Amino acid sequence: KQEVTQIPAALSVPEGENLVLNCSFTDSAIYNLQWFRQDPGKGLTSLLLIQSSQREQTSGRLNASLDKSSGRSTLYIAASQPGDSATYLCAVRGFGNEKLTFGTGTRLTIIP
Amino acid sequence: DTGVSQDPRHKITKRGQNVTFRCDPISEHNRLYWYRQTLGQGPEFLTYFQNEAQLEKSRLLSDRFSAERPKGSFSTLEIQRTEQGDSAMYLCASSSEQNTEAFFGQGTRLTVV
Repeated sequence: KQEVTQIPAALSVPEGENLVLNCSFTDSAIYNLQWFRQDPGKGLTSLLLIQSSQREQTSGRLNASLDKSSGRSTLYIAASQPGDSATYLCAVRGFGNEKLTFGTGTRLTIIP
Repeated sequence: DTGVSQDPRHKITKRGQNVTFRCDPISEHNRLYWYRQTLGQGPEFLTYFQNEAQLEKSRLLSDRFSAERPKGSFSTLEIQRTEQGDSAMYLCASSSEQNTEAFFGQGTRLTVV
């Protein structure tokens, strides 16, 4: 059974700093991995999707990497802004399996 | 395209009542998913449709839960005889067969009192 872990559960950093969020998963046989952002009381916004054959994906100030063999992914946020404050969730999809398995998220606070 | 739409956004109901939620996926997406999220947790998979066919159901989906997707367009999730433990955010997502990136709606927050 796939298990996804995100550490730390919460993180506070001053505005302008670069930061890294971590995601680990127990079964390396994944089809893809997706990073999401969730604001309080809202739905999920897709940030980046990495296919199992890819090593990284970039979108603006965000860069996600994937090391399937070690069961790890990182989300790098450059030059953080107060608007980046949210909960960040990673989720993996296995082969032949349509469901996403989520971590419990990292609650990020950017201090102005 | 306005993305995935869910209705209502909030629902408060008394224990024992039935509730129904609606999800309208992105128009060209043939895959539709329902997830449930409780406070401080990640979303948990409930069920998945490809077109009108319900292809997978989680064991979380008890007999009181039923989902439909008539004509492969919008979907409904019904909860019968609601219990306080059903209080959660119910999230709908959709994706296409070509690109499996999942797009989520804003969710329906259910409170059972």
